[in-house]
Amino acid sequence: NAGVMQNPRHLVRRRGQEARLRCSPMKGHSHVYWYRQLPEEGLKFMVYLQKENIIDESGMPKERFSAEFPKEGPSILRIQQVVRGDSAAYFCASSPSGTGNQPQHFGDGTRLSIL
Amino acid sequence: QKEVEQNSGPLSVPEGAIASLNCTYSDRGSQSFFWYRQYSGKSPELIMFIYSNGDKEDGRFTAQLNKASQYVSLLIRDSQPSDSATYLCAVRYFGNEKLTFGTGTRLTIIP
Repeated sequence: NAGVMQNPRHLVRRRGQEARLRCSPMKGHSHVYWYRQLPEEGLKFMVYLQKENIIDESGMPKERFSAEFPKEGPSILRIQQVVRGDSAAYFCASSPSGTGNQPQHFGDGTRLSIL
Repeated sequence: QKEVEQNSGPLSVPEGAIASLNCTYSDRGSQSFFWYRQYSGKSPELIMFIYSNGDKEDGRFTAQLNKASQYVSLLIRDSQPSDSATYLCAVRYFGNEKLTFGTGTRLTIIP
């Protein structure tokens, strides 16, 4: 499968625990984007990364959320001390470059549920 | 605040008819425009993208862009029940790689 791979597909956490969401971009893509979709709402941008660099994190909550895209391995979105309001679908997208006309392709998402 | 507006619907269209989905955006500093289809509980799937004024056709889909009026539309010809989904409009602004999404229009094709 050459598409954007996200895991896990579903993740259940209790309040106060940590959630780690993983994303491997499409083959040949070096730009990764994370979006969050709350129930019955549109997608909201969170963060844009290239290998070993955070390019734009303007959509990330100031506390508890962090993201990385190491030289080797998938991009990780980490949520510490989760709260009920973090329950959402988290989508990762990738593109081959950062030029404006390249479309972003989405993975299947991780559905995060907080008990 | 850069905004993307869509009519949330639901929009109901008879099978075989043309479905017309519209999207307006607030900032003239926009570069490219994307239409995604999202089935319930699934991920967004790219349908079309356009960055020049005018029409762009791909099979049953036509994207139309009018930068002067700041709107982009998606036409679906010969609508099929499988086209029933939420259609998301997304805009990318100059100097900014993130996509700004509208809230989506829910389309239902009536057999």
